[in-house]
Amino acid sequence: KQEVTQIPAALSVPEGENLVLNCSFTDSAIYNLQWFRQDPGKGLTSLLLIQSSQREQTSGRLNASLDKSSGRSTLYIAASQPGDSATYLCAVRIQGQAGTALIFGKGTTLSVSS
Amino acid sequence: GAGVSQSPRYKVAKRGQDVALRCDPISGHVSLFWYQQALGQGPEFLTYFQNEAQLDKSGLPSDRFFAERPEGSVSTLKIQRTQQEDSAVYLCASSLGRHLATDTQYFGPGTRLTVL
Repeated sequence: KQEVTQIPAALSVPEGENLVLNCSFTDSAIYNLQWFRQDPGKGLTSLLLIQSSQREQTSGRLNASLDKSSGRSTLYIAASQPGDSATYLCAVRIQGQAGTALIFGKGTTLSVSS
Repeated sequence: GAGVSQSPRYKVAKRGQDVALRCDPISGHVSLFWYQQALGQGPEFLTYFQNEAQLDKSGLPSDRFFAERPEGSVSTLKIQRTQQEDSAVYLCASSLGRHLATDTQYFGPGTRLTVL
């Protein structure tokens, strides 16, 4: 059974710091891996999607890497800002019983202070 | 364009009541997913539709949970005889559903269900 783990559970940093969020998964048979952002009381916003054949994706100050063989992904946030404060969720797309599903980690709650 | 919308945004139910949660996916999206998110946890998969066909309902926690998408667009998640453990945020997501490797799911704001 696929399990996704995110470390750390919470992180507090001062504005301007670079930081790394970690995600690990137990089964390498995935279609892709996605990083999402969730603000309190709101839904999820997709940040980056890495296909299983890819190693990394970049969007602005965000860079996500994928090492499928070791079951690991990292989300790198450069020059953090208070507006980056949110919960970041990692999810892998797997083959389910008759379709596909996203399996999520519990998230890392990030707080960036000004 | 319009994103995924869900209604109601908040629902309070007394234990034993039936509730119905609605999801309006992005127009043209073939795939529709329901997830349950308990406080402090990541979303957990409930069920998946491709057009009107419910292809996977393996995540539904009990036979009190029922989902439908009769015309392949709007979907309703129904919970019968609600229990306190049903309290959670219910998220709906839709996607084009064409190429799994690149298929991005777009999420609605969720319905927060509180069962008293």
